[in-house]
Formats: sequence, C-alpha cells, structure tokens
Amino acid sequence: KQEVTQIPAALSVPEGENLVLNCSFTDSAIYNLQWFRQDPGKGLTSLLLIQSSQREQTSGRLNASLDKSSGRSTLYIAASQPGDSATYLCAVRLSSGGYQKVTFGTGTKLQVIP
Amino acid sequence: DADVTQTPRNRITKTGKRIMLECSQTKGHDRMYWYRQDPGLGLRLIYYSFDVKDINKGEISDGYSVSRQAQAKFSLSLESAIPNQTALYFCATSDPGQANQPQHFGDGTRLSIL
Repeated sequence: KQEVTQIPAALSVPEGENLVLNCSFTDSAIYNLQWFRQDPGKGLTSLLLIQSSQREQTSGRLNASLDKSSGRSTLYIAASQPGDSATYLCAVRLSSGGYQKVTFGTGTKLQVIP
Repeated sequence: DADVTQTPRNRITKTGKRIMLECSQTKGHDRMYWYRQDPGLGLRLIYYSFDVKDINKGEISDGYSVSRQAQAKFSLSLESAIPNQTALYFCATSDPGQANQPQHFGDGTRLSIL
C-alpha cells in the first residue's frame, strides 16, 4: 500500500525566505504527483502536477521536483510571502489501478511571518 | 460564484439521522468525486462518477451512497449517520486534460455527528 509522508507537519518562516517542502512516498511505480494548497475553510487548489517522466515543473515562484527512484518530491517556494501561508498537500497516483490509486499526504502547514 | 459549490457548509446532527450533502458545478466536467478529510489522515476517496450513468466506489464507501442527478450535480448521503463519520467532506471535479484527476474542489462541508 502506498504511503505518503510530509515532514515537517508545520513550518514557520520569515517573509522573503526561500523554503522547501518535502513529500515522500513508498511505492516508486507512480503515474504522477500533484501538489495542492489548502487555505482554512477552503477546498484544495491545484498548484503543480508532475508526470512520472518529468523531473520538475515550475509555476511562478513555485518549483516542484520529482525523484522517483528515491521516492521523493520537493516543492520549492522562492521569496516567500504572507499570502503563501496555507497547508500544502501532495498526492501521488500509482501507475496501476487507475484513478482510485491516488494517495494524499497529510500536509505541511506553512506560516510566513511578515 | 464558485465553480464547485457544496451545501451545507456546516452541519451538526445526531446519530442515526439521514443526511445528504450536495454538490453542484458550473465547469461542465463529467467527472466528479467525493472525499473526506480527517485530522492526521490524508484525503480519502468515497465515491466517484465519470458521468451520470457511471458511479464507482472509492476507498471508503461503506456507510455512504451517492446520486448523480445530472452532469452538474452529485450528492452524497449518509443513510444512518454514526459519530466516526464526523469529518470534513469535499466534492471535486476533474478537467479531462489534466490526467482525469481531481483539480477543482469545493470549499467543503464540515459534518459533526453527535
């Protein structure tokens, strides 16, 4: 069974810092990996989706990398801002089993202090 | 207006009651999903529907049922609610161009079963 771990569970940084969020998974036979952010009282917002054949994806100040062999993905946030404060979730889809085989991590709660 | 709307946003009810959570979307997507989120656990898939005639069980469908009344509407029912169904429930849709995975989430329904 795929297990997805996000450490740390919470992170607090001063505004302007560059930071890295981590996502680890146990089964490397993945189809893709997706990063979301979740704001309090809101649903999930998709940030980046990386296919298994890709090494990284970028969107603005966000860069997500994928290393299947080591079972890891990182989300890099450059020049953090208070508006980046949210919980960040990763979701991993296995190659087999179709859509049902998407496993979500429990998230990293990020606070960016002005 | 939100693309994916969930009603109610909050609900408190008693054990044994029948409850219906509703979801409507304006994105024109065929695929819709119901998830629950519990503290310390990732999102878990309850049911998903690829069109009005295609409904599938997810990881944790026991104790739940769904109805796809139209392309835009997907309802989740708890026939006889129990306290361990207390959770945050999300409805989502997916864009066919995004690997058919949930991309657009509602703001959630916080359900408490006493």
